[in-house]
Amino acid sequence: EAGVAQSPRYKIIEKRQSVAFWCNPISGHATLYWYQQILGQGPKLLIQFQNNGVVDDSQLPKDRFSAERLKGVDSTLKIQPAKLEDSAVYLCASSSSGQGTPLHFGNGTRLTVT
Amino acid sequence: QKEVEQDPGPLSVPEGAIVSLNCTYSNSAFQYFMWYRQYSRKGPELLMYTYSSGNKEDGRFTAQVDKSSKYISLFIRDSQPSDSATYLCAFILTGGGNKLTFGTGTQLKVEL
Repeated sequence: EAGVAQSPRYKIIEKRQSVAFWCNPISGHATLYWYQQILGQGPKLLIQFQNNGVVDDSQLPKDRFSAERLKGVDSTLKIQPAKLEDSAVYLCASSSSGQGTPLHFGNGTRLTVT
Repeated sequence: QKEVEQDPGPLSVPEGAIVSLNCTYSNSAFQYFMWYRQYSRKGPELLMYTYSSGNKEDGRFTAQVDKSSKYISLFIRDSQPSDSATYLCAFILTGGGNKLTFGTGTQLKVEL
């Protein structure tokens, strides 16, 4: 089974610029998640999709972050404008539907904002 | 009080040692308990998964859950250099929409 694919692997931008990340989940997984992992911390959920609908975006900074999952498969996460504190690894994960189903993570996009 | 507390590490052990990694939690509504392993510059990888108190064994790994004390542990027997990674405990709430709450991670190094 192919894993969760993410691109790019690395991105360096200046503050106030915009950036977008892409995720392709495991085939057949209805639920897709974006997590932010700051160095030395555990991942924190930004947004969760069930098919193409948002389930939880309570911790997404909506003034600068946006995400979409068109057609219920691939997803993009955008930051505009970026701040220094957005430097982190952005992890995409997917799972089957249902409570307690394990999440499978991609290798993430490492963002550095200078 | 933080929802999840994890021993900070880093932890350095000799090859062959038994390793104990621990997390405490405060939310009694956590229903599912997981351990993820994260190698440097990689995403977290599910290692152990359980939803009941007691022990679950998989090869050299044993996950232990004590719901009454709100405490989970991961034991690694006969540790190998390939076990060197960051270990993250993770929890899912009852009715929580499958959202994972992670600990901060413990960095483990197994030395030859």
